[in-house]
Order: sequence, then C-alpha cells, then structure tokens
Amino acid sequence: QKEVEQDPGPLSVPEGAIVSLNCTYSNSAFQYFMWYRQYSRKGPELLMYTYSSGNKEDGRFTAQVDKSSKYISLFIRDSQPSDSATYLCAMTPYSSASKIIFGSGTRLSIRP
Amino acid sequence: NAGVTQTPKFRVLKTGQSMTLLCAQDMNHEYMYWYRQDPGMGLRLIHYSVGEGTTAKGEVPDGYNVSRLKKQNFLLGLESAAPSQTSVYFCASSSTEQVYNEQFFGPGTRLTVL
Repeated sequence: QKEVEQDPGPLSVPEGAIVSLNCTYSNSAFQYFMWYRQYSRKGPELLMYTYSSGNKEDGRFTAQVDKSSKYISLFIRDSQPSDSATYLCAMTPYSSASKIIFGSGTRLSIRP
Repeated sequence: NAGVTQTPKFRVLKTGQSMTLLCAQDMNHEYMYWYRQDPGMGLRLIHYSVGEGTTAKGEVPDGYNVSRLKKQNFLLGLESAAPSQTSVYFCASSSTEQVYNEQFFGPGTRLTVL
C-alpha cells in the first residue's frame, strides 16, 4: 500500500465550479503538507503549504488538513480554464525537503 | 533570470548506453535535487546535494550517480541504462532544505530506454 493515495482522475468540471481535490495517507507522523500544480510538460510548482492540522487560504485556493482522518484537501473556488493542470499532494514528517512523499497527482480539466 | 534549466529535453537510449543529464540554476541556491516521475508513482527523489561538492542518496538512487562540482550545476549520470529507467526526470533547487522554502523545478527531461 502506498503511503500517499491520490485519485488520478481525470476530473472535469465547468468553469466557475468549486473543485475539491483530496489525498489520504497512512503515516500518522506526517506533519508538513503541500500541494503542487503541474502544467502539461512542465515541472511542478508549489501552490500551498500547511503545517499540522487546520485550514489555510490563499486567494481562490484553500488547503485543509484533517490529521485525525489522515485526509487532506485542496479547494479551488471560481475555477478557471487556467487551473487545468495536474495537482500533486505531498507530505513529510520532517521539515527537510529530502523526505517529501508525493502523491501520484490528479488531472483536472476546467471546461469553458 | 532563467531559473532552473535542464539539458537535454528529450533522449532515447538503447539498453546499456550511458548518458549525463545536466541541471543548471542561476538563483545561487545551495540545495539541488534530482527526481523521477513515473505514471501512477508520483515524484521520487533520486539524489540530492546540500552544497557544492556534496551529494546524498534519496529514495531511489540505484543505477544513478551524481556530481556537484559547481554550485550552479547538478549532473545526473546513468552508466548503463535499463528500460526501467524510462521516465521523466526533474531537477529542482531551493535556498534551504526546509519544505516551506519553495523548490523550483526545471521543465524535465523525457528519457526513453529501449
């Protein structure tokens, strides 16, 4: 069983919809949680970073961590066609970037 | 400011051939990383470097070697390529090793081993 599970999609929603992307994990030691966005044929870019449980908001994006359920979510409000990309969740028990475990990514498509 | 660049963008090798992938960054970052990305597997760390002249093993180091002779460059070598090394390879750099300091990724190298 993988340490981090992520539905590969693809997920297709109309423009303006609220998108919910999720990951589950098995290692209760994970403390640092990240979401990356990866456009086709490009490298990933860090979108959101959260430490421990709770919510974090940045513009149209909200990251949510529920450590009791070992479940993290990324919400995108007022989705735009430019949000079409693959979204990778990532997490680590330590603050070191050399210990990050990445999910396999969910491919998202926003229909105009 | 080019950020992180990778050379080449694409490569096809035959089993047993060798090659070197070059990563260059112009942000004066101390930390550099090599990842591979395979379908359904996510990004996996191959090797990383915490500064010029240093290297360390990541999660999947077997079959790869690296060198960091200059601060701005991080080389990934395949001495004897195998079909299992068919993947997309990403280089990244960061100013510190803390996860909250963003890793900047290059555009990737698509490698096929026949």
